Amino acid sequence: EAQVTQNPRYLITVTGKKLTVTCSQNMNHEYMSWYRQDPGLGLRQIYYSMNVEVTDKGDVPEGYKVSRKEKRNFPLILESPSPNQTSLYFCASSLRGLSSYNSPLHFGNGTRLTVT
Amino acid sequence: AQTVTQSQPEMSVQEAETVTLSCTYDTSENNYYLFWYKQPPSRQMILVIRQEAYKQQNATENRFSVNFQKAAKSFSLKISDSQLGDTAMYFCAFMNLSQGAQKLVFGQGTRLTINP
Repeated sequence: EAQVTQNPRYLITVTGKKLTVTCSQNMNHEYMSWYRQDPGLGLRQIYYSMNVEVTDKGDVPEGYKVSRKEKRNFPLILESPSPNQTSLYFCASSLRGLSSYNSPLHFGNGTRLTVT
Repeated sequence: AQTVTQSQPEMSVQEAETVTLSCTYDTSENNYYLFWYKQPPSRQMILVIRQEAYKQQNATENRFSVNFQKAAKSFSLKISDSQLGDTAMYFCAFMNLSQGAQKLVFGQGTRLTINP
């Protein structure tokens, strides 16, 4: 089944303890992206990647890192999480990027992160 | 910077009724895409419909259609013959094609409830 898989679904951690949220897609997609969803703010883009070893900042990259060493994986790293990073996170992928006609964005099921 | 505004935080209609969700956006660009995404309680984000700005004809997907008013920068979603399964959070999103950056800007969302 074609899908975007995020892990974990739920995570509770403490301030300053490094964590990684994994994202993997099995559709050979070139484009991958991370978003955070907060009430009243909608979804905001954190980072995106057009292909292996190519990443770029979204609108809210501060406090986050990403890597794209393999095409299928795009982990989100929080080196020193803070309470303001408590949010619902989504990973998404598409075949060739958002501007391609037949390249819709496929989302993972989300990761609920709580930083205390 | 582009902004997307959904002025209706919540809406509620009876099953089989028609409902319209509003979305306005602000941009000085001429080449862009607009999207409506649906997020049911399962949290998965699902693409509902897409509109290319250069197309004058409004996009339609089965019971879903849009009213795209480019001059007014308005992009409303109409759901006809609403069904219980349409209950979800709906997000309007904008993507600027001119800059080449692969960024989606989302609105705040509208929570739609379809009542039996």
